[in-house]
Amino acid sequence: DSGVTQTPKHLITATGQRVTLRCSPRSGDLSVYWYQQSLDQGLQFLIQYYNGEERAKGNILERFSAQQFPDLHSELNLSSLELGDSALYFCASSASAGAGTEAFFGQGTRLTVV
Amino acid sequence: QKEVEQDPGPLSVPEGAIVSLNCTYSNSAFQYFMWYRQYSRKGPELLMYTYSSGNKEDGRFTAQVDKSSKYISLFIRDSQPSDSATYLCATQPSGSARQLTFGSGTQLTVLP
Repeated sequence: DSGVTQTPKHLITATGQRVTLRCSPRSGDLSVYWYQQSLDQGLQFLIQYYNGEERAKGNILERFSAQQFPDLHSELNLSSLELGDSALYFCASSASAGAGTEAFFGQGTRLTVV
Repeated sequence: QKEVEQDPGPLSVPEGAIVSLNCTYSNSAFQYFMWYRQYSRKGPELLMYTYSSGNKEDGRFTAQVDKSSKYISLFIRDSQPSDSATYLCATQPSGSARQLTFGSGTQLTVLP
């Protein structure tokens, strides 16, 4: 168990809908990362927050947004969902925002858009 | 061209074999190198974490980085059926950027 908790584990929703994925980082970790894993794209970095502030952004679609709350948990919001958004979404956390800090992953949320 | 290239396999070996998994990267700014193991689409599990060139050993696992050739390797000795998983290499630059860049993963099966 990595100590990173993601909910829900599975989510099935229809096209056009909006969903929220939740991540609780390891105790004491200030940095949260979101990744998308699909069969054809591998693990793709979406966005990173550190102590409530956005620190880095990857190829995150405008339909997607995230935030990190004062208690350090993070939410990833996906809206106007399309079939191609079906994927595993992982959250990872690390102790700081600096490079060279080990990142630990949660078990992921499997999103299916029908 | 992807920044991190990894042979997707699949790779199948008999129990007890030495396994060699490899990645190449193109960005000279990458300074930190990791190997993750992922079982059946579960969350990636950190196996090894190294900085710059050199070797690092942890039990049956050895991670090797050669920055001159931009080549990273993971060796698994005395492989076990429980090692069957997808292995992902990842890199991270020094400086202000922090996100990990992953290879596509190599699927390994260790046959009993």
